[in-house]
Amino acid sequence: GNSVTQMEGPVTLSEEAFLTINCTYTATGYPSLFWYVQYPGEGLQLLLKATKADDKGSNKGFEATYRKETTSFHLEKGSVQVSDSAVYFCALDRGSGGSNYKLTFGKGTLLTVNP
Amino acid sequence: GAGVSQSPRYKVTKRGQDVALRCDPISGHVSLYWYRQALGQGPEFLTYFNYEAQQDKSGLPNDRFSAERPEGSISTLTIQRTEQRDSAMYRCASSLAARGAGKLFFGSGTQLSVL
Repeated sequence: GNSVTQMEGPVTLSEEAFLTINCTYTATGYPSLFWYVQYPGEGLQLLLKATKADDKGSNKGFEATYRKETTSFHLEKGSVQVSDSAVYFCALDRGSGGSNYKLTFGKGTLLTVNP
Repeated sequence: GAGVSQSPRYKVTKRGQDVALRCDPISGHVSLYWYRQALGQGPEFLTYFNYEAQQDKSGLPNDRFSAERPEGSISTLTIQRTEQRDSAMYRCASSLAARGAGKLFFGSGTQLSVL
């Protein structure tokens, strides 16, 4: 079945450091890939997505590229801020045509950014 | 409302009791989802509604779990004869588009503890 494997946390960085959170997936067909973020005390929010191979999703300085050959969707940011401290979830859907119905999530990676 | 609202925020119950968890989606959102998240894990799909129709309940663990959305807005997830293994964060999400396409907005969740 479909699955998502995320880099285990917690990850602790200093402000302005470079961030990478690794995500690899197993899926049949052509899933869409997502990164969701959960700030303390809030619900999950969609951060970015990519719907086909070689697509790059980007938002708020974060980027991730859909790599079909390595089945990966690593999250990167060039310079993190304290306000980026949150839990990050990689996810894929089981639908088609970019639908995000019935998401499969990774376990989440806690990021803490220190001033 | 401004976002997806879930109540109660915390629920502590004794084994064998029934519980009802409420979700109030963003006004006008067609699709509604329930997910369950165990500690240290990512959310797992439970069930999905389009308007009042329950389109997929394949993620409900057993027949003690049920969900309804009678008027296509507020939804209730009911767990009968609760067991300790039901303890988890229960998350509701909604999306504007039908059939699950589009961006999911999650509530802050209901933390259920079964003693």
